[in-house]
Amino acid sequence: GNSVTQMEGPVTLSEEAFLTINCTYTATGYPSLFWYVQYPGEGLQLLLKATKADDKGSNKGFEATYRKETTSFHLEKGSVQVSDSAVYFCALTDTGRRALTFGSGTRLQVQP
Amino acid sequence: DSGVTQTPKHLITATGQRVTLRCSPRSGDLSVYWYQQSLDQGLQFLIQYYNGEERAKGNILERFSAQQFPDLHSELNLSSLELGDSALYFCASSVGGVSGGLGSYNEQFFGPGTRLTVL
Repeated sequence: GNSVTQMEGPVTLSEEAFLTINCTYTATGYPSLFWYVQYPGEGLQLLLKATKADDKGSNKGFEATYRKETTSFHLEKGSVQVSDSAVYFCALTDTGRRALTFGSGTRLQVQP
Repeated sequence: DSGVTQTPKHLITATGQRVTLRCSPRSGDLSVYWYQQSLDQGLQFLIQYYNGEERAKGNILERFSAQQFPDLHSELNLSSLELGDSALYFCASSVGGVSGGLGSYNEQFFGPGTRLTVL
């Protein structure tokens, strides 16, 4: 079955530091890959997506590249801000399956 | 604001009881998904409805059921509640019934969630 593995948190960084959150996946067919963000007390918001191999998703300074050869979709940001503090979820859907399969989430704490 | 609404925001009840969670999708969205977020299981897909019909089932317990009404709102019914059912329950909606694969995707928009506490 489908699964998503992402790095354990919490990840604590200083403002303007470089961020990487690792995500690898197992899926059948042609999965689409996503990063969702959950701010405290809120629902999930789609941060970025990539629907086929070698696609790069980007939004709000965050980027992730769909790497089929390594089955990975690592999230990166060059300079984090305090406002980026949240829980980040890597997720996928595959052909014929409608629901999202999520990783366990990684809590990011950015200190001023 | 995603446009998806969920009520109530918080629910506290006792073991053995039954509760109903309600979700109203974004205007124009035909699909509703229910997810459970708990500390030990993480975020898990429960069930999906599309235009009133069940489309997909995930890790939904037999004690749980859902339906989608003609006005497209959905209700998740949880019965014979146990302590382990305490969790955040999210509803999401999308335009179509199929997500993902071959370059296509119907984005799922999530509601703020209902926090269920079983005492």
